[in-house]
Amino acid sequence: EVQLVQSGAEVKKPGESLKISCKGSGYSFSTYWIGWVRQMPGKGLEWMGIIYPGDSDTRYSPSFQGHVIISVDKSINTAFLQWTSLKASDTAIYYCARPDRSGHFTAALDVWGPGTMVTVSS
Amino acid sequence: SYGLTQPLSVSVALGQTARITCGGNNIGGKEVHWYQQRPGQAPMLVIYRDINRPSGVPERFSGSNSDDTATLTISRAQAGDEADYYCQVWDGSTRVFGTGTKVNVL
Repeated sequence: EVQLVQSGAEVKKPGESLKISCKGSGYSFSTYWIGWVRQMPGKGLEWMGIIYPGDSDTRYSPSFQGHVIISVDKSINTAFLQWTSLKASDTAIYYCARPDRSGHFTAALDVWGPGTMVTVSS
Repeated sequence: SYGLTQPLSVSVALGQTARITCGGNNIGGKEVHWYQQRPGQAPMLVIYRDINRPSGVPERFSGSNSDDTATLTISRAQAGDEADYYCQVWDGSTRVFGTGTKVNVL
Protein backbone atom coordinates (compact mmCIF):
# COMPACT_ATOMS: atom_id res chain seq x y z
CA GLU A 1 0.00 0.00 0.00
CA VAL A 2 1.27 3.41 -0.97
CA GLN A 3 1.21 5.74 2.01
CA LEU A 4 2.74 8.80 3.60
CA VAL A 5 3.15 8.80 7.36
CA GLN A 6 3.73 12.11 9.10
CA SER A 7 5.23 12.94 12.47
CA GLY A 8 3.02 13.80 15.41
CA ALA A 9 1.51 17.06 16.62
CA GLU A 10 3.84 19.72 17.95
CA VAL A 11 3.39 22.57 20.44
CA LYS A 12 6.11 25.20 20.29
CA LYS A 13 6.84 28.71 21.49
CA PRO A 14 7.49 31.66 19.17
CA GLY A 15 11.13 31.80 18.14
CA GLU A 16 11.71 28.08 18.52
CA SER A 17 12.82 25.84 15.67
CA LEU A 18 10.98 22.82 14.36
CA LYS A 19 11.41 20.02 11.81
CA ILE A 20 8.48 17.77 10.90
CA SER A 21 8.68 14.67 8.74
CA CYS A 22 6.86 12.67 6.09
CA LYS A 23 7.88 9.07 5.42
CA GLY A 24 6.85 7.38 2.20
CA SER A 25 6.33 3.65 1.74
CA GLY A 26 4.94 1.22 -0.81
CA TYR A 27 6.47 2.92 -3.85
CA SER A 28 9.79 4.04 -5.32
CA PHE A 29 10.37 7.01 -3.03
CA SER A 30 13.26 8.50 -5.00
CA THR A 31 11.30 8.89 -8.23
CA TYR A 32 8.23 10.81 -7.01
CA TRP A 33 8.24 14.44 -5.92
CA ILE A 34 6.91 15.18 -2.41
CA GLY A 35 5.06 18.43 -1.74
CA TRP A 36 3.90 20.33 1.34
CA VAL A 37 0.55 22.07 1.87
CA ARG A 38 -0.47 24.39 4.71
CA GLN A 39 -3.97 24.70 6.11
CA MET A 40 -4.43 27.37 8.74
CA PRO A 41 -7.32 26.93 11.22
CA GLY A 42 -10.63 27.16 9.39
CA LYS A 43 -8.94 28.17 6.14
CA GLY A 44 -8.16 26.71 2.73
CA LEU A 45 -5.21 24.87 1.24
CA GLU A 46 -1.97 26.71 0.48
CA TRP A 47 0.88 25.34 -1.60
CA MET A 48 4.29 25.60 0.07
CA GLY A 49 6.72 23.76 -2.16
CA ILE A 50 7.97 20.44 -3.45
CA ILE A 51 11.15 18.37 -3.48
CA TYR A 52 12.48 15.57 -5.66
CA PRO A 53 14.13 12.91 -3.47
CA GLY A 54 16.31 11.66 -6.32
CA ASP A 55 18.46 14.79 -6.44
CA SER A 56 16.92 17.12 -3.79
CA ASP A 57 15.73 19.57 -6.48
CA THR A 58 13.37 21.90 -4.58
CA ARG A 59 10.75 24.38 -5.81
CA TYR A 60 9.21 26.81 -3.34
CA SER A 61 6.00 28.78 -3.63
CA PRO A 62 6.93 32.48 -3.70
CA SER A 63 4.78 32.92 -0.58
CA PHE A 64 6.94 30.53 1.44
CA GLN A 65 10.38 31.00 -0.07
CA GLY A 66 12.75 32.06 2.71
CA HIS A 67 10.29 31.20 5.48
CA VAL A 68 10.63 27.41 5.52
CA ILE A 69 13.15 24.81 4.45
CA ILE A 70 12.15 21.67 2.58
CA SER A 71 14.63 18.81 2.62
CA VAL A 72 14.81 15.06 2.13
CA ASP A 73 16.78 12.02 3.22
CA LYS A 74 16.20 9.40 0.58
CA SER A 75 18.12 6.79 2.57
CA ILE A 76 15.21 6.68 5.00
CA ASN A 77 12.45 7.60 2.51
CA THR A 78 11.63 10.75 4.43
CA ALA A 79 10.94 14.37 3.52
CA PHE A 80 11.12 17.22 5.99
CA LEU A 81 9.65 20.67 6.54
CA GLN A 82 11.65 22.95 8.81
CA TRP A 83 11.39 26.34 10.52
CA THR A 84 14.30 28.12 12.19
CA SER A 85 12.15 30.63 14.10
CA LEU A 86 8.46 29.91 14.47
CA LYS A 87 5.74 32.56 14.67
CA ALA A 88 2.22 32.32 16.02
CA SER A 89 1.02 32.65 12.43
CA ASP A 90 2.69 29.31 11.61
CA THR A 91 -0.05 27.58 13.59
CA ALA A 92 -1.63 25.23 11.07
CA ILE A 93 -1.98 21.68 9.83
CA TYR A 94 0.78 20.73 7.42
CA TYR A 95 0.16 18.00 4.87
CA CYS A 96 2.68 16.23 2.70
CA ALA A 97 1.40 14.90 -0.62
CA ARG A 98 2.70 12.99 -3.63
CA PRO A 99 1.89 13.61 -7.30
CA ASP A 100 0.26 10.77 -9.19
CA ARG A 101 2.99 10.49 -11.84
CA SER A 102 6.61 9.62 -11.29
CA GLY A 103 8.92 12.50 -12.05
CA HIS A 104 6.11 15.02 -12.63
CA PHE A 105 5.94 17.81 -10.06
CA THR A 106 2.89 19.43 -11.67
CA ALA A 107 0.73 16.31 -11.57
CA ALA A 108 -2.33 15.89 -9.36
CA LEU A 109 -1.69 15.00 -5.72
CA ASP A 110 -3.13 11.54 -5.27
CA VAL A 111 -1.48 10.42 -2.03
CA TRP A 112 -1.71 12.58 1.09
CA GLY A 113 -0.33 12.21 4.57
CA PRO A 114 -2.72 12.59 7.54
CA GLY A 115 -1.27 15.97 8.42
CA THR A 116 0.80 17.32 11.29
CA MET A 117 -0.78 19.91 13.57
CA VAL A 118 1.68 22.60 14.60
CA THR A 119 0.66 24.99 17.37
CA VAL A 120 2.83 28.00 18.13
CA SER A 121 1.86 29.83 21.29
CA SER A 122 3.56 31.62 24.12
CA SER B 1 -0.39 35.94 -9.31
CA TYR B 2 -3.03 33.61 -10.71
CA GLY B 3 -6.26 33.38 -8.73
CA LEU B 4 -8.97 30.72 -8.64
CA THR B 5 -12.41 31.74 -7.41
CA GLN B 6 -14.96 29.33 -6.01
CA PRO B 7 -18.36 29.96 -4.39
CA LEU B 8 -18.17 29.89 -0.62
CA SER B 9 -20.91 27.28 -0.36
CA VAL B 10 -23.26 25.17 -2.42
CA SER B 11 -26.34 23.47 -1.07
CA VAL B 12 -27.90 20.40 -2.68
CA ALA B 13 -30.84 18.21 -1.77
CA LEU B 14 -30.16 14.55 -1.15
CA GLY B 15 -30.19 12.71 -4.47
CA GLN B 16 -29.94 15.87 -6.57
CA THR B 17 -27.05 17.37 -8.54
CA ALA B 18 -24.47 19.83 -7.20
CA ARG B 19 -22.24 21.90 -9.44
CA ILE B 20 -19.15 23.60 -8.05
CA THR B 21 -17.47 26.19 -10.22
CA CYS B 22 -13.85 27.30 -10.30
CA GLY B 23 -13.17 30.54 -12.12
CA GLY B 24 -9.82 31.61 -13.49
CA ASN B 25 -8.44 33.54 -16.45
CA ASN B 26 -8.39 31.10 -19.37
CA ILE B 27 -8.52 28.16 -16.98
CA GLY B 28 -9.67 26.10 -19.96
CA GLY B 29 -6.05 26.15 -21.12
CA LYS B 30 -4.82 24.53 -17.91
CA GLU B 31 -5.21 21.11 -16.32
CA VAL B 32 -7.57 21.27 -13.35
CA HIS B 33 -7.58 18.88 -10.42
CA TRP B 34 -10.27 18.65 -7.74
CA TYR B 35 -9.90 17.59 -4.09
CA GLN B 36 -12.50 16.65 -1.51
CA GLN B 37 -11.79 17.33 2.16
CA ARG B 38 -14.18 15.87 4.69
CA PRO B 39 -14.16 17.43 8.20
CA GLY B 40 -11.08 16.44 10.16
CA GLN B 41 -9.53 14.55 7.26
CA ALA B 42 -6.77 15.07 4.74
CA PRO B 43 -7.77 16.11 1.21
CA MET B 44 -8.50 13.40 -1.33
CA LEU B 45 -8.20 13.63 -5.11
CA VAL B 46 -11.57 13.18 -6.85
CA ILE B 47 -10.89 14.48 -10.38
CA TYR B 48 -7.56 14.90 -12.19
CA ARG B 49 -6.69 16.57 -15.47
CA ASP B 50 -10.14 18.09 -15.88
CA ILE B 51 -12.28 14.97 -16.37
CA ASN B 52 -10.56 11.87 -14.98
CA ARG B 53 -11.65 9.96 -11.88
CA PRO B 54 -9.09 8.12 -9.75
CA SER B 55 -9.79 4.50 -8.96
CA GLY B 56 -12.35 4.23 -6.16
CA VAL B 57 -14.05 7.58 -6.79
CA PRO B 58 -17.73 7.07 -7.67
CA GLU B 59 -18.93 7.76 -11.22
CA ARG B 60 -21.24 10.35 -9.66
CA PHE B 61 -18.26 12.71 -9.67
CA SER B 62 -17.44 14.33 -13.00
CA GLY B 63 -15.52 17.35 -14.23
CA SER B 64 -15.41 19.77 -17.12
CA ASN B 65 -13.24 22.71 -18.08
CA SER B 66 -13.68 25.39 -20.70
CA ASP B 67 -12.87 29.05 -21.24
CA ASP B 68 -12.75 30.74 -17.81
CA THR B 69 -14.62 28.14 -15.74
CA ALA B 70 -13.98 24.60 -14.56
CA THR B 71 -16.84 22.68 -12.97
CA LEU B 72 -17.07 19.73 -10.62
CA THR B 73 -20.45 17.99 -10.79
CA ILE B 74 -21.73 15.66 -8.10
CA SER B 75 -24.75 13.66 -9.28
CA ARG B 76 -27.19 11.91 -6.95
CA ALA B 77 -25.67 13.65 -3.95
CA GLN B 78 -25.26 11.62 -0.79
CA ALA B 79 -24.75 12.63 2.83
CA GLY B 80 -21.14 11.46 2.59
CA ASP B 81 -20.46 14.05 -0.13
CA GLU B 82 -20.78 16.83 2.42
CA ALA B 83 -17.28 18.29 2.47
CA ASP B 84 -15.05 21.10 1.28
CA TYR B 85 -13.98 20.95 -2.36
CA TYR B 86 -10.90 22.65 -3.84
CA CYS B 87 -9.90 23.10 -7.45
CA GLN B 88 -6.20 23.35 -8.29
CA VAL B 89 -4.02 24.21 -11.27
CA TRP B 90 -0.33 24.68 -11.96
CA ASP B 91 0.43 28.26 -12.94
CA GLY B 92 3.87 28.64 -14.42
CA SER B 93 6.06 28.04 -11.42
CA THR B 94 3.67 27.22 -8.63
CA ARG B 95 0.64 25.16 -7.71
CA VAL B 96 -2.50 27.23 -7.01
CA PHE B 97 -5.51 26.10 -5.02
CA GLY B 98 -8.98 27.58 -5.32
CA THR B 99 -10.63 29.31 -2.40
CA GLY B 100 -12.69 26.23 -1.55
CA THR B 101 -16.42 25.44 -1.57
CA LYS B 102 -18.40 23.94 1.28
CA VAL B 103 -21.02 21.52 -0.04
CA ASN B 104 -24.04 21.09 2.18
CA VAL B 105 -26.30 18.12 1.52
CA LEU B 106 -29.83 18.88 2.73
